[in-house]
Amino acid sequence: NAGVTQTPKFQVLKTGQSMTLQCAQDMNHNSMYWYRQDPGMGLRLIYYSASEGTTDKGEVPNGYNVSRLNKREFSLRLESAAPSQTSVYFCASNVHRGYGYTFGSGTRLTVV
Amino acid sequence: ELKVEQNPLFLSMQEGKNYTIYCNYSTTSDRLYWYRQDPGKSLESLFVLLSNGAVKQEGRLMASLDTKARLSTLHITAAVHDLSATYFCAVDIKDSADGLTFGKGTHLIIQP
Repeated sequence: NAGVTQTPKFQVLKTGQSMTLQCAQDMNHNSMYWYRQDPGMGLRLIYYSASEGTTDKGEVPNGYNVSRLNKREFSLRLESAAPSQTSVYFCASNVHRGYGYTFGSGTRLTVV
Repeated sequence: ELKVEQNPLFLSMQEGKNYTIYCNYSTTSDRLYWYRQDPGKSLESLFVLLSNGAVKQEGRLMASLDTKARLSTLHITAAVHDLSATYFCAVDIKDSADGLTFGKGTHLIIQP
């Protein structure tokens, strides 16, 4: 049982480049989330998807877009990367309105 | 807006000592989570507290929840070096799919 899988694990981008972070879960969870973690800031919610076909903004959505491709997959796209988006990104999922969150292993992104 | 505050944010302590990490949150919630994070790793779930007065213990860690005071504590008993990590508390709203709101984390160093 893989849980939540994120790819890639590491990425270096130049300012202005675009990329998509991938997240997939195999637990049949309805809800999926993207967080970013910066030193001293905890984890902050970027976007979430309560169920297949829906997405909503979180606390820090600017500069990002998301796609809930199907029930398993929730991707995060940076259209034009900026140094301020250097961070560690975590994907998470849970049963709709449940209390068992599962986190992926993270993507470490550096924008130079 | 739901806010979660942890204190202290940094704690250096000696092995064998006891200490408590505090987590305050700003709105009514019955659900409080504690996570551990080791450097470069993802989040490991420690405790999920689902009701007022809930107390859970695992080894040298004990967590409690007072929903009336909007306060949770993580108590460390007779600390050992292996407990060195960053500890996060997080809150979500029951019956909401908005996900977790995290505190900034407590960086705990336990010295021999």
